[in-house]
Amino acid sequence: NAGVTQTPKFQVLKTGQSMTLQCAQDMNHNSMYWYRQDPGMGLRLIYYSASEGTTDKGEVPNGYNVSRLNKREFSLRLESAAPSQTSVYFCASSDRGQGYGYTFGSGTRLTVV
Amino acid sequence: DQQVKQNSPSLSVQEGRISILNCDYTNSMFDYFLWYKKYPAEGPTFLISISSIKDKNEDGRFTVFLNKSAKHLSLHIVPSQPGDSAVYFCAATDDYKLSFGAGTTVTVRA
Repeated sequence: NAGVTQTPKFQVLKTGQSMTLQCAQDMNHNSMYWYRQDPGMGLRLIYYSASEGTTDKGEVPNGYNVSRLNKREFSLRLESAAPSQTSVYFCASSDRGQGYGYTFGSGTRLTVV
Repeated sequence: DQQVKQNSPSLSVQEGRISILNCDYTNSMFDYFLWYKKYPAEGPTFLISISSIKDKNEDGRFTVFLNKSAKHLSLHIVPSQPGDSAVYFCAATDDYKLSFGAGTTVTVRA
């Protein structure tokens, strides 16, 4: 099915460990995003990539890095995980030519202990 | 500081009745507004949107109203159905990045 695929779906890390969250879309969208969802906070933008070859910080970028590997793939890396990064992470993509609607992946639930 | 606010964390409504969800925003540059629906263990899905040049947009049982002077929008669901039980997020943008509210959990009672 066409859409946004995120891996893994669940992950438990120890404080200080690193990991990369993977995201791929097959809709030929130009823009991709990483959000985190926390109770009472809604969805907050971590990083985004307006087009292949560009990345920019969002609202809460500290502790994260991203790579826009190609037009399809946009990964999020935690270099040294902290308990404050326990959250549900969503990747999304969009194409301005198709309006402002995003297509979201199903999320990665990350727990840092 | 959140630019999009949903002040009601939850809403319970009887099946067949109207659900009204509210959203306020602070950024006067926002010119496009959206509502997303989210079920547990799934990503949010687009529901309905409205441009700042309009004050109402309808799509089936869903209607979004925009009051620019009050910086307020609302989502009406009529009639509410059990499948409408979900978290609803309000979102806004002035370019292509969306700012989201905290969400309202809607429970439709039989």
